[in-house]
Amino acid sequence: ELKVEQNPLFLSMQEGKNYTIYCNYSTTSDRLYWYRQDPGKSLESLFVLLSNGAVKQEGRLMASLDTKARLSTLHITAAVHDLSATYFCAVVANDMRFGAGTRLTVKP
Amino acid sequence: NAGVTQTPKFRILKIGQSMTLQCTQDMNHNYMYWYRQDPGMGLKLIYYSVGAGITDKGEVPNGYNVSRSTTEDFPLRLELAAPSQTSVYFCASSHGLATNEQFFGPGTRLTVL
Repeated sequence: ELKVEQNPLFLSMQEGKNYTIYCNYSTTSDRLYWYRQDPGKSLESLFVLLSNGAVKQEGRLMASLDTKARLSTLHITAAVHDLSATYFCAVVANDMRFGAGTRLTVKP
Repeated sequence: NAGVTQTPKFRILKIGQSMTLQCTQDMNHNYMYWYRQDPGMGLKLIYYSVGAGITDKGEVPNGYNVSRSTTEDFPLRLELAAPSQTSVYFCASSHGLATNEQFFGPGTRLTVL
């Protein structure tokens, strides 16, 4: 059964700092998604990673996928307050399984 | 395009009551999904559909039923509501093609007392 683990689950950062969120999964998959969720809101798609070595960047966020290690990372560069949200990775095997989420707080 | 719409936004049910959560998409997507999100957790797939007339169980289907009579609509039925079904329910849709990126509705917050 596919299991998806994110860490850390909670992350408090200072503005301007860098950090990485990790997403590990337990079975073979070459399709991984990153979503953002603001409190009380729905999920917003950030990145779709479809192959080993895929790297996508949007603003201060960069996502990568290593299918051999079954690992994806979401790297935050020079964090700003507006990035405060919960970030989910989701992996597709037979169906889509979500990680528990990383609740990011960026403090001034 | 309105995208994925869900009704109602909020609902309180008593134990044993039934209700239908509505989901409609106007993007002509073949694939549709129902998820539940418990507080502080990720989403869990309840049911999904790959096209009109075709549905299949996800990770947590017990206590729910779905139907897909049209491409646009994918209602979720709760029979005999239980407190364990208190959650936020999200509907999503996707083309089902290469990226299969899912687009989510705004959610329905359900409380069963």
